[in-house]
Amino acid sequence: DADVTQTPRNRITKTGKRIMLECSQTKGHDRMYWYRQDPGLGLRLIYYSFDVKDINKGEISDGYSVSRQAQAKFSLSLESAIPNQTALYFCATSDFGGASENEQFFGPGTRLTVL
Amino acid sequence: QKEVEQNSGPLSVPEGAIASLNCTYSDRGSQSFFWYRQYSGKSPELIMSIYSNGDKEDGRFTAQLNKASQYVSLLIRDSQPSDSATYLCAVRGSGAGSYQLTFGKGTKLSVIP
Repeated sequence: DADVTQTPRNRITKTGKRIMLECSQTKGHDRMYWYRQDPGLGLRLIYYSFDVKDINKGEISDGYSVSRQAQAKFSLSLESAIPNQTALYFCATSDFGGASENEQFFGPGTRLTVL
Repeated sequence: QKEVEQNSGPLSVPEGAIASLNCTYSDRGSQSFFWYRQYSGKSPELIMSIYSNGDKEDGRFTAQLNKASQYVSLLIRDSQPSDSATYLCAVRGSGAGSYQLTFGKGTKLSVIP
């Protein structure tokens, strides 16, 4: 089945460590997104990419970087993790054009804890 | 700042009743509207999308849109305990960054057997 996968699913790390979260999709979608979700704050957009050469900052990009290695792969890095980056991280994808444009489909999420 | 507002709940309804979830948005030029269901600890799942004023029905779900009032709602008929989840409203705005979705913080629904 066409799907969105994320690795790792859970990660505990220490302050100051560099960490990478990975997202892969088999939906054939051009657009990919990274969100974080915190209790009481909802889903907030970190970065998004419309193709391999197009990367855009979202609402809360400070402290994060991304890499779009291929149409199907979009990675999120925390250069130097801090405790307030503890959150649930989701990758999402959407198609381009047509009636379903902007319908976003989410991966299973990565629960990240920074000690 | 584009805003999407939802009552956080919890909204409790008895099994078999109609659950009504509401959402308001600030960007008058918004074009596309979505409802997601999220079970605790799981990822959001798209359940409805609506683009024009009026009602859109899909099984037990009906989305209603009123752009003049900047209001979108989701009705769940014959509510089941398995409908207990947090429902997220998402809006695609207008202008710069219009390909982004802005999410509300969600309404927690509890269906009581």
